[in-house]
Amino acid sequence: RKEVEQDPGPFNVPEGATVAFNCTYSNSASQSFFWYRQDCRKEPKLLMSVYSSGNEDGRFTAQLNRASQYISLLIRDSKLSDSATYLCVVTRLRNTGKLIFGQGTTLQVKP
Amino acid sequence: GAVVSQHPSRVICKSGTSVKIECRSLDFQATTMFWYRQFPKQSLMLMATSNEGSKATYEQGVEKDKFLINHASLTLSTLTVTSAHPEDSSFYICSARSDHLKRYEQYFGPGTRLTVT
Repeated sequence: RKEVEQDPGPFNVPEGATVAFNCTYSNSASQSFFWYRQDCRKEPKLLMSVYSSGNEDGRFTAQLNRASQYISLLIRDSKLSDSATYLCVVTRLRNTGKLIFGQGTTLQVKP
Repeated sequence: GAVVSQHPSRVICKSGTSVKIECRSLDFQATTMFWYRQFPKQSLMLMATSNEGSKATYEQGVEKDKFLINHASLTLSTLTVTSAHPEDSSFYICSARSDHLKRYEQYFGPGTRLTVT
């Protein structure tokens, strides 16, 4: 079983739609959680960190449920430029900095 | 700030040759550098972690004699793919972190696309 699991999609949505991605992680010792965005043939870029209290950055809202080992990302009012692969990422131990990446969920926003 | 470069961005080489990829932190000193590999439609897989001046720590299943990592300074790490074969064709990405910046954040290089013919 993969340590970080995501539905690869693709999710095809019209502009303006709200879309939600989910991610589960298997290691209860995971310490920190992130969503990264990766465009085709490019490096991943940090989108936002994820906290148990939930956090919002503009149209993006991330949530962590430690009890269920579940992370979510909500994108409101989708834009064409949101089309990308969204990577769920966890760190296992606080002092190693090692990131464990999920496979990614592909989003295609259509006009 | 916190820019990481990689060179070359693309390389095509013949089977059996060795290829060196450079990863540089341009405006900060990298306490730790990481090397990842990504095959098409797959996740980034961590290959190794390196700290300046010490030997790299390789992930399980990664051959240290095939993927040589040198982290000679706080701003430069190199990955050499020795005796490359077509199955080594992949997207290689480095990242760097610093104890003096946001603790858990890694700054990624733009990646190197290796094609072995």
